[in-house]
Amino acid sequence: AQSVAQPEDQVNVAEGNPLTVKCTYSVSGNPYLFWYVQYPNRGLQFLLKYITGDNLVKGSYGFEAEFNKSQTSFHLKKPSALVSDSALYFCAVRPSSSGGYQKVTFGTGTKLQVIP
Amino acid sequence: DGGITQSPKYLFRKEGQNVTLSCEQNLNHDAMYWYRQDPGQGLRLIYYSQIVNDFQKGDIAEGYSVSREKKESFPLTVTSAQKNPTAFYLCASSIFQDLSNQPQHFGDGTRLSIL
Repeated sequence: AQSVAQPEDQVNVAEGNPLTVKCTYSVSGNPYLFWYVQYPNRGLQFLLKYITGDNLVKGSYGFEAEFNKSQTSFHLKKPSALVSDSALYFCAVRPSSSGGYQKVTFGTGTKLQVIP
Repeated sequence: DGGITQSPKYLFRKEGQNVTLSCEQNLNHDAMYWYRQDPGQGLRLIYYSQIVNDFQKGDIAEGYSVSREKKESFPLTVTSAQKNPTAFYLCASSIFQDLSNQPQHFGDGTRLSIL
C-alpha cells in the first residue's frame, strides 16, 4: 500500500532563514509527487509537482522541492522564509501508472510557523 | 475566473438529520472528489467520480452518499448513519483522471458541526 510520511507536525523557522519541510513516500513503481499549502479555513493550493526528469523542482511563491529516489524523499524548501509562508503543508503521492483510477495519498500535514 | 465553489461554508446538523454539501466547478474537469479533513489525520477520500453518472467509494464512504448528474456538480450527502460527521469537508476536481500527473484543484471547504 502506498503511504506518505511527514515526520514533523510543526516546523518553526525565523523570517529570512531557509526552511525545509520533510516528506518521505512509499509507492509501487515510479511516483508522481505533489506539494500543497493550506491556509486557515481554506482549501489546498497546489505548489509544485515532480513527474520525471530534473530532481530539483521549482514551484510557486519561491518554493522548490528535491526528489531523492534512493531515499524516497521529496522535501520542500525555500531559501528565505516569509511570515506569510506560515500555513499547513501537505505532501501527496500517486503512482505514475496509466489506466484506471490512481489513488492520491496525502500526508498528515506539517504546520510551518515563520517567526518575525 | 474558473474554480470550485463549495457551499455553505458552515453547516450544522441535528441528530437524525441528513445534510447535503454542494460542490460546483467551472473548470471543465472530468474527475471530482470528496475528502474529509480531521486535525492531524490529513485528507481521507470519501467518494470520487471520473465521469458523469458514475462514482466510486473511497476509503471512508460509510454514512455518505453522492450523485454526479452533471459534469459541473458533485453534491455530498452526510446521512444520519454517519455518527461522527464533525469535520472539514473538501471538494476537489482534476482534469481527466488518467492524466495522473495533474494536480487536484480544491474548493474552500465546508465545516460541518453537530448541534
